Amino acid sequence: EAQVTQNPRYLITVTGKKLTVTCSQNMNHEYMSWYRQDPGLGLRQIYYSMNVEATDKGDVPEGYKVSRKEKRNFPLILESPSPNQTSLYFCASSFLRRNEPYEQYFGPGTRLTVT
Amino acid sequence: AQKVTQAQTEISVVEKEDVTLDCVYETRDTTYYLFWYKQPPSGELVFLIRRNSFDEQNEISGRYSWNFQKSTSSFNFTITASQVVDSAVYFCALSLGGATNKLIFGTGTLLAVQP
Repeated sequence: EAQVTQNPRYLITVTGKKLTVTCSQNMNHEYMSWYRQDPGLGLRQIYYSMNVEATDKGDVPEGYKVSRKEKRNFPLILESPSPNQTSLYFCASSFLRRNEPYEQYFGPGTRLTVT
Repeated sequence: AQKVTQAQTEISVVEKEDVTLDCVYETRDTTYYLFWYKQPPSGELVFLIRRNSFDEQNEISGRYSWNFQKSTSSFNFTITASQVVDSAVYFCALSLGGATNKLIFGTGTLLAVQP
């Protein structure tokens, strides 16, 4: 089954404790991205990757890191989480052809609470 | 700058009523892509439709239809004969394609269909 998986689905942590949210897709997509969803703000892009070893900042990258060492995986790293990073996080992936955006497939979401 | 506005925060209808969700976008680019996603109570994001700026034909898929009007920069979504299972948050999104492939989301419209 074609899918994007994220782990963990729920996480409660404390300020400053490093964490990683994993994301994996099995569709051989070139493009992967992280979004955060906050009430009244919709979804905003954090980081994206066009392919292995090619990542770049989205609109709200502060406090986050990513890496893309394999095509299927795109982990999101919070080196020192703070309460304002409490949010619902989505990983997404898609094909990328001729700069034309294809349907992005989203993972199930990770609800993060930082106390 | 690009922007998507979904002015309706919440809509409540009774089953079998028709309902239209509004989406107004802003961009100076002539090539762009518009999307609708559904987020049911379970939280995942489900792709509904993608439309490029050169295709102004309206689209119908079962009870769903979309009205794209470049003259008013709108891409409205109508559900005919609504059902309880249509209850969800609906997001309209804009993409310019290119390197970022970023989706610029509206703030979403919560649709509640009462039995």
